[in-house]
Amino acid sequence: DTGVSQDPRHKITKRGQNVTFRCDPISEHNRLYWYRQTLGQGPEFLTYFQNEAQLEKSRLLSDRFSAERPKGSFSTLEIQRTEQGDSAMYLCASSRSSGANVLTFGAGSRLTVL
Amino acid sequence: AQSVTQLDSQVPVFEEAPVELRCNYSSSVSVYLFWYVQYPNQGLQLLLKYLSGSTLVKGINGFEAEFNKSQTSFHLRKPSVHISDTAEYFCAVSPNQAGTALIFGKGTTLSVSS
Repeated sequence: DTGVSQDPRHKITKRGQNVTFRCDPISEHNRLYWYRQTLGQGPEFLTYFQNEAQLEKSRLLSDRFSAERPKGSFSTLEIQRTEQGDSAMYLCASSRSSGANVLTFGAGSRLTVL
Repeated sequence: AQSVTQLDSQVPVFEEAPVELRCNYSSSVSVYLFWYVQYPNQGLQLLLKYLSGSTLVKGINGFEAEFNKSQTSFHLRKPSVHISDTAEYFCAVSPNQAGTALIFGKGTTLSVSS
């Protein structure tokens, strides 16, 4: 069990550019979640996958955001035409498919949009 | 829908003193409750959880929390804190059904000084 891995850990980009983050969950975990955390706030739910199916999306996930989990293993979160308001820590978490949602989080990917 | 209110944004305390971090939740259905800790520049780590059974839950690093259904609270306590407990603490709630996302509070910064 190597935990939840996120890449890159830090990304600095210019406004208008596209960025992509990758998350590798714990191997036996079927569920994968994306959260966003801004300074002084708690994590805010963005979207959730059960295997390859995207089952829930928050209203925070605008049209510029897209998430995929094509083979039910790793996931990507892409932000198109980044805005300064997108600057945040993007957190990935995973959990087992049965029982209560005990989430294991990765260290996060910090995005800075200049 | 569920919501979480962490009543104190910052809690300063001296080393070896007791501490209580307060959390209230709102939900129309039965819930699971969690406390996560985030040390500087690290990911969120599960501190403890209430799923069912005993309302007093013990977690890592000497922390415990008590689920109070009538007061819809899940306060976190530690009888004697250490400098190393300085961190951000997040309370989270989810409906007691598999697969639903956790909703987090805004966090409480615990600052322990000597």
